Amino acid sequence: DGGITQSPKYLFRKEGQNVTLSCEQNLNHDAMYWYRQDPGQGLRLIYYSQIVNDFQKGDIAEGYSVSREKKESFPLTVTSAQKNPTAFYLCASADSAGNTQYFGPGTRLTVL
Amino acid sequence: AQSVTQLGSHVSVSEGALVLLRCNYSSSVPPYLFWYVQYPNQGLQLLLKYTSAATLVKGINGFEAEFKKSETSFHLTKPSAHMSDAAEYFCAVSGDSGYSTLTFGKGTMLLVSP
Repeated sequence: DGGITQSPKYLFRKEGQNVTLSCEQNLNHDAMYWYRQDPGQGLRLIYYSQIVNDFQKGDIAEGYSVSREKKESFPLTVTSAQKNPTAFYLCASADSAGNTQYFGPGTRLTVL
Repeated sequence: AQSVTQLGSHVSVSEGALVLLRCNYSSSVPPYLFWYVQYPNQGLQLLLKYTSAATLVKGINGFEAEFKKSETSFHLTKPSAHMSDAAEYFCAVSGDSGYSTLTFGKGTMLLVSP
């Protein structure tokens, strides 16, 4: 089955720790995206990548980092510099036309 | 810069009633517009999209939306609500720079009562 997978589904972290969220797609899509979702806030763009080894900051990139070493994978690291990391994180990808984004199932991160 | 306004954070309807979820956008270029649905603790599922073809767009699960340029609106409708339609709905507009970034509205929670 083609699709986008995110792991883990639930993640708990202590304050001061970095944590990496996984996102993999087998749709052969060029572009990948990371969003953060908070209640009543909609989705806000963290980072996106149009091509391997290249990525751009979104609206709320501070405290986050990404890499794009493979077309299929776009991991997101939430660093200790992120002041309020507890949120639902969604990964998406889009094909070469770039018009439509498809989403993974999400990872819920809770900082204890 | 693009922006999206969804009127009403919560909309309540009875089963069988008309569903109307409102979305207004601002964009400096002809936009692409999208409606997504999200069930609890899940990702977003594409309902429908407008890409400058027909102004009335039909999507999945009986939903449709009409693009009205003069009103900068893209409201989502369904003639008859079903209990399974209860979810959160997001309107989004494509960006005018870079590679199709999306700007999302804050979402509307649809509540369906029997």
